[in-house]
Amino acid sequence: DARVTQTPRHKVTEMGQEVTMRCQPILGHNTVFWYRQTMMQGLELLAYFRNRAPLDDSGMPKDRFSAEMPDATLATLKIQPSEPRDSAVYFCASGQGQGATDTQYFGPGTRLTVL
Amino acid sequence: AQSVTQLDSHVSVSEGTPVLLRCNYSSSYSPSLFWYVQHPNKGLQLLLKYTSAATLVKGINGFEAEFKKSETSFHLTKPSAHMSDAAEYFCVVSDQRGFQKLVFGTGTRLLVSP
Repeated sequence: DARVTQTPRHKVTEMGQEVTMRCQPILGHNTVFWYRQTMMQGLELLAYFRNRAPLDDSGMPKDRFSAEMPDATLATLKIQPSEPRDSAVYFCASGQGQGATDTQYFGPGTRLTVL
Repeated sequence: AQSVTQLDSHVSVSEGTPVLLRCNYSSSYSPSLFWYVQHPNKGLQLLLKYTSAATLVKGINGFEAEFKKSETSFHLTKPSAHMSDAAEYFCVVSDQRGFQKLVFGTGTRLLVSP
């Protein structure tokens, strides 16, 4: 049963610290998405990769957030420096790149708390 | 720009009674529409999707949704609720022009009582 994995599942850190979240997409999927979920804003798209290339990161605060795909089996989302307002659940999703009708498969999320 | 509006933030039903979760969409182009479910502390799982084929779409766990262009609606229904259906449900729209940017509704929390 193929699934998206994310690590860590929970992260508590102090303001100013660097946070790195990792995602392993489903093998063979060529699109990867990063989302953030908060009570106030709901689910927001942060970044989108196709074939490891970033195609859209307009939803991401550029000054502190960065997203990369070092290889096809790993996507990372970094926050440096972290702030309390970054506290949220961060989801990674992957898809087969079939366009607008594609199904996105979500990971279990990383719950981040910044004190 | 596309958007979706989920008309109810909470819906409460009794086990065995029908479920109706309402969603209206706005899109300049022919939309793809999805319903995702999120159980507590879990990721999102696809229930069903509409992609301009049949207007009545059947999904997993007995759920179905009907695309009504004249009403710009895509309501989710189930004939008989189970306790395990208690979760958050998201209506989602995607622009069919290519890049699959999903726009999520605010969610409807379904509560199922015995």
